[in-house]
Amino acid sequence: EPEVTQTPSHQVTQMGQEVILRCVPISNHLYFYWYRQILGQKVEFLVSFYNNEISEKSEIFDDQFSVERPDGSNFTLKIRSTKLEDSAMYFCASSEPGLAGVETQYFGPGTRLLVL
Amino acid sequence: DAKTTQPPSMDCAEGRAANLPCNHSTISGNEYVYWYRQIHSQGPQYIIHGLKNNETNEMASLIITEDRKSSTLILPHATLRDTAVYYCIVSISNSGYALNFGKGTSLLVTP
Repeated sequence: EPEVTQTPSHQVTQMGQEVILRCVPISNHLYFYWYRQILGQKVEFLVSFYNNEISEKSEIFDDQFSVERPDGSNFTLKIRSTKLEDSAMYFCASSEPGLAGVETQYFGPGTRLLVL
Repeated sequence: DAKTTQPPSMDCAEGRAANLPCNHSTISGNEYVYWYRQIHSQGPQYIIHGLKNNETNEMASLIITEDRKSSTLILPHATLRDTAVYYCIVSISNSGYALNFGKGTSLLVTP
């Protein structure tokens, strides 16, 4: 069964450093998402991406964040200058338009980011 | 998106049916009810969705009341591997639309 993959599974970085989290969505999917989950808190939407453009973004997704689809398979989330509060599990998801517009988002296993 | 209300936790004995309720009294006509679950910090996993009819798949059944103000997810024969946080999400079904996860129901299946 096709699945969303994410690398790395864990990343430790120093505050102020740039990090890039990578995702390989399911191959025939057209919509891509990033969510995050701070330890002990709920899953929060960051951004959705379609046709090389951001479709929707939350208030969390400020100028420190950017997304890119650099080639036909990868989807990346970049955090330019990490803060302590960026420590979280980051989930990538993908979806395809379904019947009558109903779609299902499939999530990857996540990247656990720790900012020191 | 309409707000949902779920009990924070539930227990279920292994092999019994787990019935997880969700209230969504402000749901609008074009909003679907989705259920996802998250097993111990793994990525959320889609379970089932519905608009107004009851739905069943290999994982679960979804019962939506006639007025659509509440629904119940049924795991017919719960196993220990069904221990997870279950999220009821109400959302319009446009592609690219954000899923708004609440706190969900933490289901513990006991031997």
